[in-house]
Amino acid sequence: EVRLVESGGGLVQPGGSLRLSCSASGFIFSNYAMHWVRQAPGKGLEFVSAIGSSGGGTFYADSVKGRFIISRDNSKNTLYLQTSSLRAEDTAVYYCVKDFNSWHHFDYWGQGTLVTVSS
Amino acid sequence: EIVMTQSPATLSVSPGERATLSCRASQSINSNLAWFQQKPGQAPRLLIHGASTRATGVPARFGGSGSGTEFTLTISSLQSEDFAVYYCQQYYNWPPWTFGQGTKVEIK
Repeated sequence: EVRLVESGGGLVQPGGSLRLSCSASGFIFSNYAMHWVRQAPGKGLEFVSAIGSSGGGTFYADSVKGRFIISRDNSKNTLYLQTSSLRAEDTAVYYCVKDFNSWHHFDYWGQGTLVTVSS
Repeated sequence: EIVMTQSPATLSVSPGERATLSCRASQSINSNLAWFQQKPGQAPRLLIHGASTRATGVPARFGGSGSGTEFTLTISSLQSEDFAVYYCQQYYNWPPWTFGQGTKVEIK
C-alpha cells in the first residue's frame, strides 16, 4: 500500500523558514517523480514544486521560485521542501504527491501538513 | 501556462441523479487530463486519468470523456459519498501542472 506522510508544518512568522518532509513507503521511491501541491484555506489546489526520480530535474511555481527548494533522499525514501522568506500567502496545507511515473499524472497524495505564516 | 476552467462552480443534485461536470483547457492538452475528488478534511483522490481511464478502485458510475480542450466528468447515479469537490488537472504542458478551480457537488 502506498503511503505518504508529511511532517514539519507549523506556525511561523513572516520571513521565517520551515523544512517540510514526506516519508514514503509501499513503492520503490527512487523510481518516481514527486511533487508538492498546496491548498490555502478554503481554496483550490496549486502546484508548488516537483523533482525527478533521481533528484535531477526540479521545477517550481513562479510564486515560490527563489524561496523554496525541493530535494529528496532516495536512501531514506524521503522528499523535502525547504521553505524560506515565508509570506502570509504561503499559508496552506502542503501535500506530498507521487507521480504515476515520471512526469505523468499524479496518483497518490499524503494527508498534508499545515503551514501557517502569521505574526 | 495552461489555464483550466471548471463549470459550474457548484452543482446541486439529488441522490440517485446524474451529475455532469465540465472542464475546459485554454489550449489543447490531448487526453492528458486527470480528475480528483476531495472530501472535507481529506486529501484529493485520483478518479480518472488519461481523460477517461478510471483509477484503481473507482466505481464504474464515474466516467470521464473528452479530448483537446473540452472534458466532462459524469457521475451516473449520485451516492451520498459522492458529495465532494472535484478538480480537473492537466499534465500535458508543464511546469506548472495546473488545476481547475473546482466544482462542488452538493445535495439538492
